[in-house]
Amino acid sequence: AQSVTQLGSHVSVSEGALVLLRCNYSSSVPPYLFWYVQYPNQGLQLLLKYTTGATLVKGINGFEAEFKKSETSFHLTKPSAHMSDAAEYFCAVSEGSGGYQKVTFGTGTKLQVIP
Amino acid sequence: ETGVTQTPRHLVMGMTNKKSLKCEQHLGHNAMYWYKQSAKKPLELMFVYSLEERVENNSVPSRFSPECPNSSHLFLHLHTLQPEDSALYLCASSQGAAGNNEQFFGPGTRLTVL
Repeated sequence: AQSVTQLGSHVSVSEGALVLLRCNYSSSVPPYLFWYVQYPNQGLQLLLKYTTGATLVKGINGFEAEFKKSETSFHLTKPSAHMSDAAEYFCAVSEGSGGYQKVTFGTGTKLQVIP
Repeated sequence: ETGVTQTPRHLVMGMTNKKSLKCEQHLGHNAMYWYKQSAKKPLELMFVYSLEERVENNSVPSRFSPECPNSSHLFLHLHTLQPEDSALYLCASSQGAAGNNEQFFGPGTRLTVL
């Protein structure tokens, strides 16, 4: 069974400050890990994903995440927050099963950016 | 149209009504999903269709009835819903069974049950 824990349902940062959103996972197989972003009144959009290889993954809009197997973590960071980063962020773990992806999502973290 | 589209975007219905949600994907994917998104809860997977065959029914009440007439279209038929069914219903699609493929989401239908 797989699960995802996102620490902090709300995070506030000042514009220009570091963004750090935490995600821990559990999986019985080598995990595929994702971060999705959801802007108001929209569906989820992929930010980045880890499958295999390099553990530091770069995504869109200047975000990156590092896969740390020993810590079972996949935290999302961005060096400098922008007002347009205000959204809800979802960490997810996935495995292929029976012709489709079985994805488990975290409960989400709402990011507020303060001018 | 590109990506995944959903109609209607907003729906208000009474508990005795029957309505349908529609999803269409323009990506050539072979798997489609219905999720329910409620406040303060993780996304709940409801149904999965792979190659037009239902492969997952995640203990969803029978008042929700999915239909997948072809690989591009997915419907969710609703009848005698309850107020607790009010939520954002998201459709998604993906290609193949590999766990490393991303899912592409539509904008959702905001459903309110009175």
